[in-house]
Amino acid sequence: KAGVTQTPRYLIKTRGQQVTLSCSPISGHRSVSWYQQTPGQGLQFLFEYFSETQRNKGNFPGRFSGRQFSNSRSEMNVSTLELGDSALYLCASSLRDGSFSTDTQYFGPGTRLTVL
Amino acid sequence: GNSVTQMEGPVTLSEEAFLTINCTYTATGYPSLFWYVQYPGEGLQLLLKATKADDKGSNKGFEATYRKETTSFHLEKGSVQVSDSAVYFCALSPKTSYDKVIFGPGTSLSVIP
Repeated sequence: KAGVTQTPRYLIKTRGQQVTLSCSPISGHRSVSWYQQTPGQGLQFLFEYFSETQRNKGNFPGRFSGRQFSNSRSEMNVSTLELGDSALYLCASSLRDGSFSTDTQYFGPGTRLTVL
Repeated sequence: GNSVTQMEGPVTLSEEAFLTINCTYTATGYPSLFWYVQYPGEGLQLLLKATKADDKGSNKGFEATYRKETTSFHLEKGSVQVSDSAVYFCALSPKTSYDKVIFGPGTSLSVIP
């Protein structure tokens, strides 16, 4: 089975611009979660989507948004970029359908976003 | 609410030394517990997991036991290698899949020859 893929792998933007990141989960996985990783703040949860519905949300401003499509692919969008948004954005997919045997998250390699 | 606490490091060990990374959690019910590892330049990958009390997860020489009485899931390895240098994350997945997965802050491990 193919793993979780994220595109693009690297991105450079300037302040005030917006960006869209994409995540393709493992086939059959309906849960997709997004995380922001920075040296100072560590791994921070952004949101989780399950079957096209946002199931959980972290403590990020409204500039951060996401969505999930019927094929479980997910995108996250950051508008009005700030310097502090520079980070590695990780996507993780999972079955997470309620059974303990399905709650392992599988991570993609991440998208490295640099805001200048 | 649910939370995970782990020693943040960095931890530096000599090759073949014994490793312990402490992890304790707070949760309602009995969550699944995980250790994930992140090698430089990569995403996180599952190292081991346990889904109920007294379960022992093991992989690549690493072990961790789900201790309900002490709400802990400490990671151990008897003899570390240079290739084990990475960041290790303890995590919990709540009983209901409707609650988010909680990650600890990560522990950076460097193993020197």
